[in-house]
Amino acid sequence: QVQLQESGPGLVKPSETLSLTCTVSGGSMTNYYWSWIRQPPGKGLQWIGYIYYSGSTKHNPSLKSRVTMSIDTSKNQFSLKLSSVTAADTAVYFCARGGTVGIPAANNWFDPWGQGTLVTVSA
Amino acid sequence: QSVVTQPPSASGTPGQRVTISCSGSSSDIGFNTVNWYQQLPGTAPKLLIYSDNQRPSEVPDRFSGSKSGTSASLAISGLQSEDEADYYCATWDDSLSGYVFGTGTKVTVL
Repeated sequence: QVQLQESGPGLVKPSETLSLTCTVSGGSMTNYYWSWIRQPPGKGLQWIGYIYYSGSTKHNPSLKSRVTMSIDTSKNQFSLKLSSVTAADTAVYFCARGGTVGIPAANNWFDPWGQGTLVTVSA
Repeated sequence: QSVVTQPPSASGTPGQRVTISCSGSSSDIGFNTVNWYQQLPGTAPKLLIYSDNQRPSEVPDRFSGSKSGTSASLAISGLQSEDEADYYCATWDDSLSGYVFGTGTKVTVL
């Protein structure tokens, strides 16, 4: 059974870079998309982006060019960096498996999810 | 940016049937499959329905999904207290070239 676990600092200063890692256990990263999704306190879900196991990426245009994602299949990990953060980036950040290469990204789904990690942006 | 809308709340008594709508456009729901997620209080979302109407094996058959045109629906029959949660639809938006989530619906069991 595949499990995901987010890790990283829970507090980031404004204008700095938020960095998170998701560790995948119980399965291979090959042939899957891997996504980041966030949820501001008391609000809804927002897709941040995905990285394919080969390293290609796609991110939410609303986050402009602040998003960088990377993957290390040898460590069973993928990572998120979000630069120039503000208070609006305070959220619970989830990682999730975004589907298999056999199905177009547009027709995929997120399963399973990590438990999420709260990142607060504050001085 | 695409907006996929859901009613903010829905409620029912135990045993009742509750339906949640998810309204989009031709660039999202109208052209791509819809998935539904259940988020129990203080937990991560969990996949409930995928590809419009498919149910993972571990999800009770009380939950069902459907889609018509640019709208989708999630039905919960035989409502139970443990169904009290937030529910989100999600789909791909061709104009955004990315995933969008619905605004979310809080289901209360009276």
